[in-house]
Amino acid sequence: NAGVTQTPKFQVLKTGQSMTLQCAQDMNHEYMSWYRQDPGMGLRLIHYSVGAGITDQGEVPNGYNVSRSTTEDFPLRLLSAAPSQTSVYFCASSPSLGALGYTFGSGTRLTVV
Amino acid sequence: GQQLNQSPQSMFIQEGEDVSMNCTSSSIFNTWLWYKQDPGEGPVLLIALYKAGELTSNGRLTAQFGITRKDSFLNISASIPSDVGIYFCAGQNYGGSQGNLIFGKGTKLSVKP
Repeated sequence: NAGVTQTPKFQVLKTGQSMTLQCAQDMNHEYMSWYRQDPGMGLRLIHYSVGAGITDQGEVPNGYNVSRSTTEDFPLRLLSAAPSQTSVYFCASSPSLGALGYTFGSGTRLTVV
Repeated sequence: GQQLNQSPQSMFIQEGEDVSMNCTSSSIFNTWLWYKQDPGEGPVLLIALYKAGELTSNGRLTAQFGITRKDSFLNISASIPSDVGIYFCAGQNYGGSQGNLIFGKGTKLSVKP
């Protein structure tokens, strides 16, 4: 019963590099989302998906790309990393958009130098 | 967009003391939720509130959904060391993208044994 699995746990990137943060859930949840957490800023929504093939932007989408080809996976792509993207990234899932009780992954701590 | 004001930002208390934190919004929510984040982990749902005026308890935790639907508070009684962490309020509405959670900036709780 893995829940929401995020990889990697830690990553250091150089400015301009690209990378993909992985998120997988095994609960057959339709809704998945990505949040970033910065000190004193709480959790801010980057992108979300209400099902395979459907994605939409959240509050802070610039510099990030997502796709949802399967129900289980929702990767987050950083196209050209910038120091402002240094943050802790959380993936969350729930049975549907608007359902209570999001399940969060344990996070990816990303540093861009 | 909607914003949540959560206070206090941080608290340093003695073990055994009671704790109170609150969240206010400029607009209404249909649901209020409270999450706790342990160091190095993702947020975990503590309490969900569905109705204006509702008071709900979960062990030593008590939360209330404000009558105006624009605020909520969380109380922790007789704090213990494992209460340490960051507490987030979150608001949620129904319909389309409003089903996404909007988080407060968090209250960091430290407990002195």
